[in-house]
Amino acid sequence: GAGVSQSPSNKVTEKGKDVELRCDPISGHTALYWYRQSLGQGLEFLIYFQGNSAPDKSGLPSDRFSAERTGGSVSTLTIQRTQQEDSAVYLCASSSLTGIYEQYFGPGTRLTVT
Amino acid sequence: KQEVTQIPAALSVPEGENLVLNCSFTDSAIYNLQWFRQDPGKGLTSLLLIQSSQREQTSGRLNASLDKSSGRSTLYIAASQPGDSATYLCAVSQGPGYSTLTFGKGTMLLVSP
Repeated sequence: GAGVSQSPSNKVTEKGKDVELRCDPISGHTALYWYRQSLGQGLEFLIYFQGNSAPDKSGLPSDRFSAERTGGSVSTLTIQRTQQEDSAVYLCASSSLTGIYEQYFGPGTRLTVT
Repeated sequence: KQEVTQIPAALSVPEGENLVLNCSFTDSAIYNLQWFRQDPGKGLTSLLLIQSSQREQTSGRLNASLDKSSGRSTLYIAASQPGDSATYLCAVSQGPGYSTLTFGKGTMLLVSP
């Protein structure tokens, strides 16, 4: 079946602009995660959606970052007033909440803020 | 706070060698541990997942072991090939109710022909 998809694959934006990144999880997966991979920083957790529960936003680095998940499926990560330090690869993953909770990752969106 | 460390940060070997990548974590109360592969400019591919009750998992030339009490995991790659060249990431989750992954910074592997 189809894996996790993300769009766009690459995004170049000017400092101060808002951007939206999209994630389509694997059908039937009720858990969805956003991570960020910055050069030299490794992968860090941003936000986690679990079913119909309130999302865990504890990893968001500032209030310029927000995310929503509509209808328990597609998720959008929004970064307002982008800064150069937001340049990174943004990865989305999904998992089932039964069994072994294995996470499956999308190809990522490479964001460059100029 | 869980911290994951991977050693070495980089490794270069000739084709055909067997090799071991190491991962350690500070909080032994994990639910599972995943090893991933990441090719340059690409996303993450899951290689092996070990549940906390397991000691090891095998897939082809890969074998991952877990010693939960000592906070360690190893990924063994047998008969390495140039196509194995990639960054290998180790990640742990704390539990089914909070399954966010904490990642190490990875081991960059280069296998030369």
